[in-house]
Amino acid sequence: QVQLVESGGGVVQPGRSLRLSCAASGFTFSYYPMHWVRQAPGKGLEWVAVISYDGSSKFYADSVKGPFTVSRDNSKNTLYLQMNNLRVDDTAVYYCAKTRIRQWPSVDAFDFWGQGTMVTVSS
Amino acid sequence: QSALTQPASVSGSPGQSITISCTATISDVGGYNYVSWYQHHPGKAPKLVIYDVSIRPSGVSSRFSGSKSGNTASLTISGLQAEDEAHYYCSSYRSSRTYVFGTGTEVTVL
Repeated sequence: QVQLVESGGGVVQPGRSLRLSCAASGFTFSYYPMHWVRQAPGKGLEWVAVISYDGSSKFYADSVKGPFTVSRDNSKNTLYLQMNNLRVDDTAVYYCAKTRIRQWPSVDAFDFWGQGTMVTVSS
Repeated sequence: QSALTQPASVSGSPGQSITISCTATISDVGGYNYVSWYQHHPGKAPKLVIYDVSIRPSGVSSRFSGSKSGNTASLTISGLQAEDEAHYYCSSYRSSRTYVFGTGTEVTVL
């Protein structure tokens, strides 16, 4: 069965960096675009970024464009989110999610999600 | 500000039907044909319940249905059950390969 397991969250000071990972299993990872979505405490879901199946194309929400970089290593079935210059309002649970169909460009829904990893930015 | 507006809360008694609306407030939501809905219980992974406006994924209860009229999409839960109590989010593809989520609706089973 499809499994997505995020890791790398923690408490970090403003201005510092953190890299999140998402280990995928149960499907052919290299076929599918992948997303990062976050949820700040007490807030709704916010789409963060998408990466194409081969890593050649990446798109970001305006709120993270610049400091955040999405990448993937298909040989390791792992998705990454490098977060630089973190701000207090980046505090959130970060989820990775799989695109439903193997198509790029993708307009499709997210059919499997991980349980999320918490990132707290605080001094 | 989200481009997709949902009511903050909707409630119903067991066995009743409820409908959650999702209204697009900006024009660039990709023709609004790629609307999906997610059920989210706190502390758990969100679950896809509807995609492409009205298609139910395999394994999702037939009590969930989706529709769209103009710039408003809707999720209907019929035969409401206690396990349906959760937050629900609509989502849509936007232009330029980006996505947007709705503001979220808390469903309470009375």
